Amino acid sequence: EAGVAQSPRYKIIEKRQSVAFWCNPISGHATLYWYQQILGQGPKLLIQFQNNGVVDDSQLPKDRFSAERLKGVDSTLKIQPAKLEDSAVYLCASSAQGSVEKLFFGSGTQLSVL
Amino acid sequence: EDQVTQSPEALRLQEGESSSLNCSYTVSGLRGLFWYRQDPGKGPEFLFTLYSAGEEKEKERLKATLTKKESFLHITAPKPEDSATYLCAVQVPQGAQKLVFGQGTRLTINP
Repeated sequence: EAGVAQSPRYKIIEKRQSVAFWCNPISGHATLYWYQQILGQGPKLLIQFQNNGVVDDSQLPKDRFSAERLKGVDSTLKIQPAKLEDSAVYLCASSAQGSVEKLFFGSGTQLSVL
Repeated sequence: EDQVTQSPEALRLQEGESSSLNCSYTVSGLRGLFWYRQDPGKGPEFLFTLYSAGEEKEKERLKATLTKKESFLHITAPKPEDSATYLCAVQVPQGAQKLVFGQGTRLTINP
């Protein structure tokens, strides 16, 4: 079974530039999550999708971050404009319908904002 | 506010030296406590789910236990391949199901 795919693996940008991350979840998983993991910290949920709809985006900085999930499968997370404090690993995870019990994570995109 | 605190932040052991990692939580109405393992450059990998005080789960050299205020991850006779960061998370009961993670314990096993 293929895992959660993310790209790119690494990204280096200057502050005020924009960046986008892509995620392809495990086939058939209805729920998709984007987490932000700053060095030395645990993952923090940014946004959760159930199929096409947003279930929770309470911790998403909406003035600069946006996310969408097309046709209930792939998802993209965008930052525009980036700030220095956005430097982190952005993890995508997926789970079966309505289940938070077992999340499957991708390897993440490591973002450095200079 | 729901909080998860893990200790110690880092732990270095010799191969075969058993120890425990701690996860303390404050959440109104625990629905589930989860342990994940994270290797460098990888996403977290699911280990265990615990639902009620007194529950225990085992997998190879790892055993997770749960009380009303904390969980322990016991590592018996660890090997170098057990080196990783171990993350604890709690399921938040309000609204959509989501996990709140602790900051992790970075475990190093020296041969």
